[in-house]
Amino acid sequence: GENVEQHPSTLSVQEGDSAVIKCTYSDSASNYFPWYKQELGKRPQLIIDIRSNVGEKKDQRIAVTLNKTAKHFSLHITETQPEDSAVYFCAAPRRAGSYQLTFGKGTKLSVIP
Amino acid sequence: GAVVSQHPSWVICKSGTSVKIECRSLDFQATTMFWYRQFPKQSLMLMATSNEGSKATYEQGVEKDKFLINHASLTLSTLTVTSAHPEDSSFYICSARGDLGLAAHNEQFFGPGTRLTVL
Repeated sequence: GENVEQHPSTLSVQEGDSAVIKCTYSDSASNYFPWYKQELGKRPQLIIDIRSNVGEKKDQRIAVTLNKTAKHFSLHITETQPEDSAVYFCAAPRRAGSYQLTFGKGTKLSVIP
Repeated sequence: GAVVSQHPSWVICKSGTSVKIECRSLDFQATTMFWYRQFPKQSLMLMATSNEGSKATYEQGVEKDKFLINHASLTLSTLTVTSAHPEDSSFYICSARGDLGLAAHNEQFFGPGTRLTVL
């Protein structure tokens, strides 16, 4: 099954700076990579996802890049704001063709005003 | 669209009692529902996957007789924690996916979670 590694586990940035979180996966057949944001005590919410047929996807201040050769994908948040503070999880399909997801261990992002 | 509700949002029970948690897809038909458990400061751990009308598939280490899952309709799945003990205290979250078109084909929509505390 898929193994997803996420780094760093914690990240502190100054407001306005950029934040980058990276995940690696093991199954080269994986084709769907979502990123979730979870605020304390709340549900995970999908913020962006990417499929294996593209290398980059952007939505305002958030972008995700995918390197299929190296089997890693990264979340980029630019112009960070205090409300970006949360735990971010990456995920990948448990196995090719599966709807089950394997989640990374999470990154706690703190944006310092 | 694609809203998932979960009830109750929190529950406190005595050791040895059973607790039922409901997960509903409000505006779409959920062909597959997932149940996760999340301990403090940890990631989401998949407990089981259920498809409407069929038996749930449990992850290794999850006791199917302790965590009973019923997915009787395309909008409702329930998780019953039987004979709950303090170590079962956790945040239980369901998610659902359905046939919402290619763009959301893989996407899981999460419920708000249920905080279970067993005394």
